[in-house]
Amino acid sequence: GAVVSQHPSRVICKSGTSVKIECRSLDFQATTMFWYRQFPKQSLMLMATSNEGSKATYEQGVEKDKFLINHASLTLSTLTVTSAHPEDSSFYICSAGTSGGWNEQFFGPGTRLTVL
Amino acid sequence: SQQGEEDPQALSIQEGENATMNCSYKTSINNLQWYRQNSGRGLVHLILIRSNEREKHSGRLRVTLDTSKKSSSLLITASRAADTASYFCATGLRGYSSASKIIFGSGTRLSIRP
Repeated sequence: GAVVSQHPSRVICKSGTSVKIECRSLDFQATTMFWYRQFPKQSLMLMATSNEGSKATYEQGVEKDKFLINHASLTLSTLTVTSAHPEDSSFYICSAGTSGGWNEQFFGPGTRLTVL
Repeated sequence: SQQGEEDPQALSIQEGENATMNCSYKTSINNLQWYRQNSGRGLVHLILIRSNEREKHSGRLRVTLDTSKKSSSLLITASRAADTASYFCATGLRGYSSASKIIFGSGTRLSIRP
């Protein structure tokens, strides 16, 4: 199956700093990438949908100025958590998909963010 | 927001028994997928069932889909200790102009007792 990678897998940062997470589709071109957040013992919540070359679409309640998404190419999307605070500590997971057909998505391994 | 609700929220069974998890959703879907997640780890894709399919098998897994009732079930037969994990259903919403988003259910935490 298709492979999606995330980098870094784990990051610890100080409150107030910005953190960038990369999501790459390694063996296919992803027209759309999705970003999810998962708090401990909870399900995955969709944060935003990004299409290559256009602005991301954010889900209700997700601050677009705090969670900056860039989808510059068909194989790379980045999520930047700006001015991170302890409440932003979470597991961030991306997925990549293609258009048409049955719209399968392929998930990355996730990034554990801890904000001190 | 979450599309799916899973039942039960938690399930504890003896090794060797079968485990059944149910998922209900609200809107029309393109497909429904089941994932497993071990504590603190990434998702493992188990099976995808399309909206025009009613049942699908993969090894010890059996998934059913009833679009009239907007529900799905995941059956794990002959459970093993390694099956202990959280299981999520995820619905792929209709849309063909771009990859449609997947909305996850609330999840079932499955524990297999040795």
